[in-house]
Amino acid sequence: KNQVEQSPQSLIILEGKNCTLQCNYTVSPFSNLRWYKQDTGRGPVSLTIMTFSENTKSNGRYTATLDADTKQSSLHITASQLSDSASYICVVSGARSYIPTFGRGTSLIVHP
Amino acid sequence: GAVVSQHPSRVICKSGTSVKIECRSLDFQATTMFWYRQFPKQSLMLMATSNEGSKATYEQGVEKDKFLINHASLTLSTLTVTSAHPEDSSFYICSAEDRGYGYTFGSGTRLTVV
Repeated sequence: KNQVEQSPQSLIILEGKNCTLQCNYTVSPFSNLRWYKQDTGRGPVSLTIMTFSENTKSNGRYTATLDADTKQSSLHITASQLSDSASYICVVSGARSYIPTFGRGTSLIVHP
Repeated sequence: GAVVSQHPSRVICKSGTSVKIECRSLDFQATTMFWYRQFPKQSLMLMATSNEGSKATYEQGVEKDKFLINHASLTLSTLTVTSAHPEDSSFYICSAEDRGYGYTFGSGTRLTVV
């Protein structure tokens, strides 16, 4: 069964600090992996999308990495801001199904 | 980038009535759209896959007569919650895939049944 596991489940950091969120998956064969940011009461917004051949991709202060061999991805947030408080969701798509597998998300709270 | 418009953003209805939620792809065509449900502090749960011109595919445990899906065009899918009850209160989100940008989500609909 395809699974996507995210850690930590929740994280509290101070404004200005960096943090890293993890995503491990079992989806195979692999097609692509996306990180989304979901603010409370809103739909998820895409941050990055990576395919098999990509190791890293940045979007402003967000940098995602992918190790397709170990089936691991991380999302690094640099110089956190209060507006980064949200749920971050890892979504993995397999090559044989158009239905993606969602992680449960990491809830990030940035305190002033 | 790809934009998916979903409305209404919030709706309050009386128990027993039906509510329709619309999902539109604004600048691309989507042969397939997805409908999700999300409870507080939980991840998105796929309810059904909406296919243009054909019947929707429902996930196990989702009542197709309760949650009616119509995908009449390449840019519009609708979800109708029929005979709504308080337990149907939830956050409903649609998504569509634009091959250039991946899955794009609507902004969600907060349904409250009183």
